[in-house]
Amino acid sequence: LAKTTQPISMDSYEGQEVNITCSHNNIATNDYITWYQQFPSQGPRFIIQGYKTKVTNEVASLFIPADRKSSTLSLPRVSLSDTAVYYCLVGEQTGANNLFFGTGTRLTVIP
Amino acid sequence: EAGVTQFPSHSVIEKGQTVTLRCDPISGHDNLYWYRRVMGKEIKFLLHFVKESKQDESGMPNNRFLAERTGGTYSTLKVQPAELEDSGVYFCASSQGGEQFFGPGTRLTVL
Repeated sequence: LAKTTQPISMDSYEGQEVNITCSHNNIATNDYITWYQQFPSQGPRFIIQGYKTKVTNEVASLFIPADRKSSTLSLPRVSLSDTAVYYCLVGEQTGANNLFFGTGTRLTVIP
Repeated sequence: EAGVTQFPSHSVIEKGQTVTLRCDPISGHDNLYWYRRVMGKEIKFLLHFVKESKQDESGMPNNRFLAERTGGTYSTLKVQPAELEDSGVYFCASSQGGEQFFGPGTRLTVL
């Protein structure tokens, strides 16, 4: 399984764009990149998933370069409520497989 | 639509006692997963049910842990006897082939 590496923590002011980069040098051909968000006292929540290039939804954008050895989660204009831990996961797309969580990135949004 | 629910939200027991955690998945989801995060560690996969069958239980730490999913609906995870190192947050998730939806978790404290 591809190991992921991401910063342990990040701080950002409200209203700024936040980019969290994840390294996954050993990503396999069949692997997708998925990001989860976790608030305190809650379970992880799916944010976005992609295979290559760029994916955008109402919450975030995911940028994946051609070599797919890294990916960047972009959160536009963060607010205090975006303070959470963000996990980058690499694995097969289907939900019928267990997930492997790394340490995640603790994002703190400052007023 | 109700999400994944878990009961209890917190449990405090003494070493050697038995505790049973319950997970109610989203209605209609065949896949049910158990994960846990012990203190200071990453979220780790425990096991995966497809309906009432155990698809993958490679993450179960030892034979003190017993998971069941009778009838393919809700699932229970029993720890007997509980040890200090079992303290942590136990998450349940369900899916129907797509993203996994997590419950809020059960915080287990073994004294």
